[in-house]
Amino acid sequence: DAGITQSPRHKVTETGTPVTLRCHQTENHRYMYWYRQDPGHGLRLIHYSYGVKDTDKGEVSDGYSVSRSKTEDFLLTLESATSSQTSVYFCAAGQGLNYGYTFGSGTRLTVV
Amino acid sequence: AQSVTQLDSQVPVFEEAPVELRCNYSSSVSVYLFWYVQYPNQGLQLLLKYLSGSTLVESINGFEAEFNKSQTSFHLRKPSVHISDTAEYFCAVSDRSGGYQKVTFGTGTKLQVIP
Repeated sequence: DAGITQSPRHKVTETGTPVTLRCHQTENHRYMYWYRQDPGHGLRLIHYSYGVKDTDKGEVSDGYSVSRSKTEDFLLTLESATSSQTSVYFCAAGQGLNYGYTFGSGTRLTVV
Repeated sequence: AQSVTQLDSQVPVFEEAPVELRCNYSSSVSVYLFWYVQYPNQGLQLLLKYLSGSTLVESINGFEAEFNKSQTSFHLRKPSVHISDTAEYFCAVSDRSGGYQKVTFGTGTKLQVIP
């Protein structure tokens, strides 16, 4: 969806390095989310934001941090990448549950 | 806590045949229910949703889902599938846990339409 842009689309990084993934929305949605998608696990929530500078942990938040300094941007940082964080990462945004979520196209991250 | 179970990881079906993708949920409060579709190398797209009212909801491309509170189910159906329906389908549930809006997704069902 053109309203949610994730960058980069693909990244290969080395174990132990920090990595930041960016999510940018043009829809002015209040809520933003970071999920990871792994075979057999579906989508698991990492962190979410319910407003500028307001964030909270999801079910798999260990090793990840987020920041939201502007409504349109939600950053996900892997503080020290590990091979277990190799995954496809999706950002989503929504204005409320009545509307469902809009998803970005994903970032495929490989940690070697 | 809420959870979603999609028992079928893969469903093969011949073109023009009917299909049902199963979804069961658990929650201690009232829920909203969603189906999302993911085509290869893309993000998820909202297919349909149940918020309240009529228990049968429909999408623009011929899918429908029925909310069954007694069986805690929200199965997705289509009477006649097309090749273009080949994708992965995710059921999702949400309640108002903690006052913030979070959605829990199932593990997905891959629909493979066979020509």
